[in-house]
Amino acid sequence: DSGVTQTPKHLITATGQRVTLRCSPRSGDLSVYWYQQSLDQGLQFLIQYYNGEERAKGNILERFSAQQFPDLHSELNLSSLELGDSALYFCASSIGTAHNQPQHFGDGTRLSIL
Amino acid sequence: AQSVTQLGSHVSVSEGALVLLRCNYSSSVPPYLFWYVQYPNQGLQLLLKYTSAATLVKGINGFEAEFKKSETSFHLTKPSAHMSDAAEYFCAVSGTNTGNQFYFGTGTSLTVIP
Repeated sequence: DSGVTQTPKHLITATGQRVTLRCSPRSGDLSVYWYQQSLDQGLQFLIQYYNGEERAKGNILERFSAQQFPDLHSELNLSSLELGDSALYFCASSIGTAHNQPQHFGDGTRLSIL
Repeated sequence: AQSVTQLGSHVSVSEGALVLLRCNYSSSVPPYLFWYVQYPNQGLQLLLKYTSAATLVKGINGFEAEFKKSETSFHLTKPSAHMSDAAEYFCAVSGTNTGNQFYFGTGTSLTVIP
């Protein structure tokens, strides 16, 4: 058990809809990362938050947004969903922002767009 | 920019045989490197990390990796494969920009033949 909790585990929805994925980091971790895993793109970094502030942005679409709340949990919002958004979305957390820190991953949310 | 390349998307070994999973990195600065394992329907679990303290790094489950700067490699090995080692393995390098997001390789699927 990594200590990172993601909900829901599975999400099935239709094109054009909006969903929210939730992540609770490991106790004591201030950084939260979101990654997308798909067969064609592999594991891609989306966005990082540190102590409530956006720290880095990767290949995140404009239709996607995220935030980290004062209790350090994070939410990833995906809107105007398309078939290509079907993927496994992982949240990870680390203590801070040092480059030598490992990240601890949740079990992911599998998003299926019908 | 940071990147890693994993040679061999599929590797098969016999139970008890040596496991060798290859990872080469590209980095403009001394890198921080990580190996993760992903079992079906689970998140990524940290196997080991290289953070410049020692070139031979020992991890969990009998795995180890050696950092070779001259070859820009960080190959993962295990002397004797076990059936439970069958999984997907990812090599990752930490970013050097403001964020410390990971850049992952495309993964290697390990099959262990009884």
